[in-house]
Amino acid sequence: QQPVQSPQAVILREGEDAVINCSSSKALYSVHWYRQKHGEAPVFLMILLKGGEQKGHEKISASFNEKKQQSSLYLTASQLSYSGTYFCGTRGTYKYIFGTGTRLKVLA
Amino acid sequence: DAGVIQSPRHEVTEMGQEVTLRCKPISGHNSLFWYRQTMMRGLELLIYFNNNVPIDDSGMPEDRFSAKMPNASFSTLKIQPSEPRDSAVYFCASSAGTGGTGELFFGEGSRLTVL
Repeated sequence: QQPVQSPQAVILREGEDAVINCSSSKALYSVHWYRQKHGEAPVFLMILLKGGEQKGHEKISASFNEKKQQSSLYLTASQLSYSGTYFCGTRGTYKYIFGTGTRLKVLA
Repeated sequence: DAGVIQSPRHEVTEMGQEVTLRCKPISGHNSLFWYRQTMMRGLELLIYFNNNVPIDDSGMPEDRFSAKMPNASFSTLKIQPSEPRDSAVYFCASSAGTGGTGELFFGEGSRLTVL
């Protein structure tokens, strides 16, 4: 089953914050986050391997709640370069399945 | 490092024709994935290889699709016969690790249009 992301789309002004959620109906063993700009391939942002783990990448951070089978991506003080579609990727038994995607647009 | 290399970047063909997409993973990576991306269905996993062996092909839409990985440096995805609904961007990705612990490195994708 494909993980569900929310919101589906979000528009921000530069400097604003955003949260993207990823929820799975199946147990999660790890969570990956990727960003895809229009016309390009997805690019890896970070991976969370353990429940409760939190990581940061520049002003982008993420958390992983293994019990709730959820992960959240936090974008702080957004920049124009953050625009794109964000995907969570989850591992079930051994394969990577991507979430439904969240389109994020940052306006000047 | 050259990254994951896919060819062709763009393919336009007519319904009924055979299409072959190619992928060269990053040297040393032992996992290879084929994904299909459309607006309606997002990123769909088609097939996953580990050490050149197909592990899970449950995402392959139907018998018209087939994938091979004859060696560690080459994989193909074939559609025969192609149909308009196969139009999509097909991504190949490789990873150095099994079990979801390695990040995926994506190729630039092959945009397929079936008329």
